[in-house]
Amino acid sequence: DAGITQSPRYKITETGRQVTLMCHQTWSHSYMFWYRQDLGHGLRLIYYSAAADITDKGEVPDGYVVSRSKTENFPLTLESATRSQTSVYFCASSQGPLGNEQFFGPGTRLTVL
Amino acid sequence: QKEVEQNSGPLSVPEGAIASLNCTYSDRGSQSFFWYRQYSGKSPELIMSIYSNGDKEDGRFTAQLNKASQYVSLLIRDSQPSDSATYLCAAGRAFGKGTLLTVNP
Repeated sequence: DAGITQSPRYKITETGRQVTLMCHQTWSHSYMFWYRQDLGHGLRLIYYSAAADITDKGEVPDGYVVSRSKTENFPLTLESATRSQTSVYFCASSQGPLGNEQFFGPGTRLTVL
Repeated sequence: QKEVEQNSGPLSVPEGAIASLNCTYSDRGSQSFFWYRQYSGKSPELIMSIYSNGDKEDGRFTAQLNKASQYVSLLIRDSQPSDSATYLCAAGRAFGKGTLLTVNP
């Protein structure tokens, strides 16, 4: 079925480890986004991408790396996980840039011990 | 800093009543406005978009926009327990933190 998927759905890791969260969409949307959602902070934009090989920083990019070699995939890597990166991560896609309708994936709940 | 302010709630309404959710935004240049519904433990789901002043109705939902007052609202008529969720308002690229709505049977 068409849509946006994320994997894994749940992940527990340890401080200092590298973790990659995957995002895949089948709508052929040009734009993709990564958010984290924490109590008291709401949704915060980490990185976004306008097309393959075009990425840009959002509000809270430190400690994260993204790539987009294919339009449909937008992985998010935590290079050296910290406890403060414990959060729920949502990937989203859109036909247009920020400020357009966004469609969210189911989320990944990440715990860093 | 472009901000969207929402009352965090919880807003509690009886079943069948009208639920009124409000938000204000700081960026006068915002051209697009959205309401997302987020059930507990789930991802945000787009339920309404509005781009011009006035009302936009979709079933039991009505979005209202007043750009002069920088104010957006969502009305839910005949509220149902299944409407219990957090509602996120977005103005342009900025999201509010959401209002928790509880509909009591």
